[in-house]
Amino acid sequence: RKEVEQDPGPFNVPEGATVAFNCTYSNSASQSFFWYRQDCRKEPKLLMSVYSSGNEDGRFTAQLNRASQYISLLIRDSKLSDSATYLCVVNIGTGRRALTFGSGTRLQVQP
Amino acid sequence: EAGVTQFPSHSVIEKGQTVTLRCDPISGHDNLYWYRRVMGKEIKFLLHFVKESKQDESGMPNNRFLAERTGGTYSTLKVQPAELEDSGVYFCASSQVVLSSYNEQFFGPGTRLTVL
Repeated sequence: RKEVEQDPGPFNVPEGATVAFNCTYSNSASQSFFWYRQDCRKEPKLLMSVYSSGNEDGRFTAQLNRASQYISLLIRDSKLSDSATYLCVVNIGTGRRALTFGSGTRLQVQP
Repeated sequence: EAGVTQFPSHSVIEKGQTVTLRCDPISGHDNLYWYRRVMGKEIKFLLHFVKESKQDESGMPNNRFLAERTGGTYSTLKVQPAELEDSGVYFCASSQVVLSSYNEQFFGPGTRLTVL
C-alpha cells in the first residue's frame, strides 16, 4: 500500500467549475500536510498547508480529517491557469523533515 | 531573491558511467534535500543535509549514490556506476531552519537524468 494515495485523474472540468481532490495517508503519526502544485516539467511548488481546522486561500480550501487519515482540496471557480498536477504531501514529523508525496492528481480546466 | 538552482538541467549517459548533479540552495538555507522521481512513480525522498551534516539518508537507494555538501553551501549527488533504473528527475530543495515548526521546502527545477 502506498503511503499517500491519490486518484491520478485526469479531471477535465470547464472553466468556472468547482472540483475536489482527495488523498489518504497510511501513517497515523503524520504531523504536517500540504498540497503542492506541479506544472508540466516544472518543480513542485507549495500551494497551501493543511490544518485540522480547515483553511482557505482565495478559491482554494483544504481540509484534514485525522481520524480518517484523509485530506481534501477544493478549487472553486476554476481558471485555465489552474491546470496542473496537484500533489498531496505529508511529513511524518518526529524530527524528520522528509516529505512523502502522492503520485498526484492531474487537473485540466477547459475553456 | 534567487531560487534553488540545479545543474545540469539534462544529462544523458550510458549505463556504467558516472554522473554528478549539483544543487545550489537558496542563500541562507541550512536545510538541503534531494528527491527523485523515476518514471511512473511518485517523488521520493533521498536525503537531508543540515549544513554539511547528513541528517537523514534513509531514502538513499544503494551505495552507488553519494551525496556531499562540503562547507554547507552547495551539494553534489554522484551516481557511480549509473544503472538504467536510475533514470528520472532529481530534485533538490532547501528550507530555513525553524526549530518550532515545519517550514516550507523550496524546490529547484530538477535534473532530468537518462541512462541508456
